[in-house]
Amino acid sequence: GAGVSQSPSNKVTEKGKDVELRCDPISGHTALYWYRQRLGQGLEFLIYFQGNSAPDKSGLPSDRFSAERTGESVSTLTIQRTQQEDSAVYLCASSRRMQETQYFGPGTRLLVL
Amino acid sequence: SQQGEEDPQALSIQEGENATMNCSYKTSINNLQWYRQNSGRGLVHLILIRSNEREKHSGRLRVTLDTSKKSSSLLITASRAADTASYFCATPSGGYQKVTFGTGTKLQVIP
Repeated sequence: GAGVSQSPSNKVTEKGKDVELRCDPISGHTALYWYRQRLGQGLEFLIYFQGNSAPDKSGLPSDRFSAERTGESVSTLTIQRTQQEDSAVYLCASSRRMQETQYFGPGTRLLVL
Repeated sequence: SQQGEEDPQALSIQEGENATMNCSYKTSINNLQWYRQNSGRGLVHLILIRSNEREKHSGRLRVTLDTSKKSSSLLITASRAADTASYFCATPSGGYQKVTFGTGTKLQVIP
């Protein structure tokens, strides 16, 4: 594909529900990253994948957050039992290799009511 | 704490003026990147400067890197209203296995 895509672009959910966010990286990019950005704030690193492996999950805010990547391609970020403080834009990026230029998707704007 | 921190947090200038943003970081790096973000959505990569480079140009952008001071600056010359955005620096962290973004500088260019 031409760039990184994310779906859905917007998600409104009720507190306590689970949500799944999807990221399709640029084909051939081995590294994939997830970030969270609260309104008016900087990027908060969540997790990265090198291939299908996530060597460091310490950036995930709580055990309600999990992520996986398959086929060195699509990745999903799952938030269980959503809370209002989970409301944010979730950004995905990919790069050809670690430490190279990251190409960002448009993000998923999550609102937890 | 943030690996990279931008300064100032917000900057408002008139169109045509130059805008300078600074980034300070804490640990050794092999490169530093600057990104731009419009309207709280996806970021766009602007420029990468390696640790053995002191200055780099790209169009109206000029980036400097001082590894002894652990700082970098982004200069936008002859600013335009379309330059209005947030600008972030990004540096490797976690043993170069992660990239950490700073808190960003919100630039407003007034027509």
